[in-house]
Amino acid sequence: SQQGEEDPQALSIQEGENATMNCSYKTSINNLQWYRQNSGRGLVHLILIRSNEREKHSGRLRVTLDTSKKSSSLLITASRAADTASYFCATVSNTDKLIFGTGTRLQVFP
Amino acid sequence: EPEVTQTPSHQVTQMGQEVILRCVPISNHLYFYWYRQILGQKVEFLVSFYNNEISEKSEIFDDQFSVERPDGSNFTLKIRSTKLEDSAMYFCASSGRTSHRETQYFGPGTRLLVL
Repeated sequence: SQQGEEDPQALSIQEGENATMNCSYKTSINNLQWYRQNSGRGLVHLILIRSNEREKHSGRLRVTLDTSKKSSSLLITASRAADTASYFCATVSNTDKLIFGTGTRLQVFP
Repeated sequence: EPEVTQTPSHQVTQMGQEVILRCVPISNHLYFYWYRQILGQKVEFLVSFYNNEISEKSEIFDDQFSVERPDGSNFTLKIRSTKLEDSAMYFCASSGRTSHRETQYFGPGTRLLVL
């Protein structure tokens, strides 16, 4: 079955640095979405990238998608302490359901 | 900005009891979902709902689970006889004003603890 795996599992950086998180999946997709989750809280949608798109930007976020490698990356530029959270990729294939990855725990130190 | 809401935020119940988790999806959305996240694990799909019927369900969503849209606004998840392993955070999501496979917007979750 389709499964998203993020790496690294955990990432610690200083404020102002860039954070890059990667996601791999196994089957063909319709789109891929990135979500953020603060500890014990709900999931906040960040960005959606379709299978025919290669790159997308939203503010300090940059997402890439390589369908030939079945991988995606999320780049957060000029990170802030408030960016500290877990980040998940989730894929949508030919059905509606989201298949979530295992997540990357990002810690940004002030 | 419209958002998905869920009640209660926390629920503690005894094993074997029935629980109903409530959600109010974003108005005009057509597709509704339940997911769960066991502590420390990934978010797992439970069920999707469209046009007043289940469109897809996972292996987790067995006969103990049911969903309902009793009126034009609420979307509920019922667990008939809770088990210890049902302890998790349950998220409701909605999407699709025009089509599916769009962004799914999640509620803040209900933390269920089964004792």
